Amino acid sequence: EAQVTQNPRYLITVTGKKLTVTCSQNMNHEYMSWYRQDPGLGLRQIYYSMNVEVTDKGDVPEGYKVSRKEKRNFPLILESPSPNQTSLYFCASTGENGRGTKNIQYFGAGTRLSVL
Amino acid sequence: GQQLNQSPQSMFIQEGEDVSMNCTSSSIFNTWLWYKQDPGEGPVLLIALYKAGELTSNGRLTAQFGITRKDSFLNISASIPSDVGIYFCAGHPPGSGGSNYKLTFGKGTLLTVNP
Repeated sequence: EAQVTQNPRYLITVTGKKLTVTCSQNMNHEYMSWYRQDPGLGLRQIYYSMNVEVTDKGDVPEGYKVSRKEKRNFPLILESPSPNQTSLYFCASTGENGRGTKNIQYFGAGTRLSVL
Repeated sequence: GQQLNQSPQSMFIQEGEDVSMNCTSSSIFNTWLWYKQDPGEGPVLLIALYKAGELTSNGRLTAQFGITRKDSFLNISASIPSDVGIYFCAGHPPGSGGSNYKLTFGKGTLLTVNP
């Protein structure tokens, strides 16, 4: 079964305390990305990766880092979290769906982060 | 960057009614996708459209890729309580920063179905 797994699902932290949200996919997809979802703003892309060791900024990259050392994993790193990074975060992996439909983004279940 | 204008922002309907929502853009898109997000979950793809004018159905759902490549609509017929959720349109803009996979999302339509 195609899966994108994020951990943790919920996280409460304090300003300045470094954290990492992990993301893993089992579909051997090359393209992965991170989004944040905020009320009234929809989904906004933070970073994306087109393959191992290839990452680039999305629309709202400030305050975030990513790494792609293996194809299946794409962690999101907040070196010094701030309250404006309180949000719902989604990891996504893009590829075919096995029935010929291309460029399908599969989303993880989300990580709800609160920065106090 | 390119933006998608999704409307309406929210809808309150009675079970059994039909629903229509749409997305427009001032610039063209290569594909249009419609996603549904259930509470506490990530978005799940409902319908993917790849050609201008394409009309595709998935059960009670029907979506169309506008001829101008600047708009798309999603219709839900005979709504049921489990249709509740947030519906997002999304599109792949041409030549988006070297990535053919970058998606631009609309802000979503919150659908509430009263039994």
